[in-house]
Amino acid sequence: QQQVKQSPQSLIVQKGGISIINCAYENTAFDYFPWYQQFPGKGPALLIAIRPDVSEKKEGRFTISFNKSAKQFSLHIMDSQPGDSATYFCAASIDRVSTLGRLYFGRGTQLTVWP
Amino acid sequence: ETGVTQTPRHLVMGMTNKKSLKCEQHLGHNAMYWYKQSAKKPLELMFVYSLEERVENNSVPSRFSPECPNSSHLFLHLHTLQPEDSALYLCASSQVVPGSRRDGYTFGSGTRLTVV
Repeated sequence: QQQVKQSPQSLIVQKGGISIINCAYENTAFDYFPWYQQFPGKGPALLIAIRPDVSEKKEGRFTISFNKSAKQFSLHIMDSQPGDSATYFCAASIDRVSTLGRLYFGRGTQLTVWP
Repeated sequence: ETGVTQTPRHLVMGMTNKKSLKCEQHLGHNAMYWYKQSAKKPLELMFVYSLEERVENNSVPSRFSPECPNSSHLFLHLHTLQPEDSALYLCASSQVVPGSRRDGYTFGSGTRLTVV
């Protein structure tokens, strides 16, 4: 059973547009929600993360929106650029020593931004 | 070197070979992980070494054997693999601190493994 469900699988956006990727989870014990960006030939890199005590976090053009009651969180990329073309993964974990930092990942979204 | 380094970057091996993947982290982290990334599948956790404890995903076949000699080095020993084991193998590290919030993983660039 997949712990984190991500959609869409692929996304094509025009330069300057807004890219939106959604994730949903079931385990209410999750309390740490990072997003990772992966370029071809590279490992995933941490992009931005949120904890459930806030509903939104913004870093530059990247914003995470978090809806605790709906158990959903999403990544918004404003003013999308061709350089943002990559695969994006959402993830979730229970931030306690007993879980040894284990992250559960979504299946990924392949984002293509057309110039 | 900084971050997480994985070697080799690419590996082609026959089904009867024995090989090892190496990972080294220069971040002073106390937890290291092996993940498998296959096409159209979620990142699959294989093994965790953290705070001198090892945790493994019970679905990982015994032909994969991890070794963590110290907090900076992690190996994945491979033997008698199958073609379906072809994938990108990612190493990651993180800092697990009791009672403290932590940041996410730092991943290496991975080893692209092809089993022929």
